[in-house]
Amino acid sequence: DTAVSQTPKYLVTQMGNDKSIKCEQNLGHDTMYWYKQDSKKFLKIMFSYNNKELIINETVPNRFSPKSPDKAHLNLHINSLELGDSAVYFCASSQSSRVRREQFFGPGTRLTVL
Amino acid sequence: DAKTTQPTSMDCAEGRAANLPCNHSTISGNEYVYWYRQIHSQGPQYIIHGLKNNETNEMASLIITEDRKSSTLILPHATLRDTAVYYCIVSVIKAAGNKLTFGGGTRVLVKP
Repeated sequence: DTAVSQTPKYLVTQMGNDKSIKCEQNLGHDTMYWYKQDSKKFLKIMFSYNNKELIINETVPNRFSPKSPDKAHLNLHINSLELGDSAVYFCASSQSSRVRREQFFGPGTRLTVL
Repeated sequence: DAKTTQPTSMDCAEGRAANLPCNHSTISGNEYVYWYRQIHSQGPQYIIHGLKNNETNEMASLIITEDRKSSTLILPHATLRDTAVYYCIVSVIKAAGNKLTFGGGTRVLVKP
C-alpha cells in the first residue's frame, strides 16, 4: 500500500561516519527527489532524478551523493558525516506526464549526528 | 528563497471554514500556485494548485486574485486532522523535476 517508503526511519551515528538512506516508490513515477528539513523546519530540495538522470542538483556538499539504480529507487549516500547534517530527509516522487506534477513524499528519515 | 508570504500561525474552530492567505506579489506568468501541508512528523502532502482560475477538489478550494498577486486556500469544514503547517509555493511546471521551494508556512491549529 505504501507509495513512497524510506529506510531507515531513524539513523543515529557518529561524526565522520558514512551512511546511506534508501527510498523506493511503487507509484510508477519517473521523477524522484531528496529534500532536507533542518531544525528550523525549512524544507529545501537537494536533488532530483528523472528516469535515472540527475536533473536538479542544488548547492549541496560533495559528501552527499545520490544514486538511482532504477526509476523506482533513489538512494542518498552521505560521506564523512558532520553535526550540521542532522536533519529530517524526505524522499518524494512525481510523474512528469501528470498535469498536476504533484509530489508524493515519504515519511522521512531523521538523521542525528553525534 | 521562498517567493511567498504567509501568516506564521492561525487558529480555526472545528467545523468552520479555514481561510489561509498567501501573498506572491512577484509571481511570474508561468508560475503556478501550489499548496501543500505537513502534518506533524509526516512528509508534506499535496492539496491543490492553480494558475489563474479558482480551483476546487475534495480537500480544498483555491481562490487566486485576478492580478495573481495573492491567493487564499479554503478548507471548507476544518477537522482536528487538518491541524498542520500549510505551505503556499509558486513554481513553474517543467517537463520534469519541479523544484518546490518551501517557506515558513502557516501553522494551523484546529480547535474543538
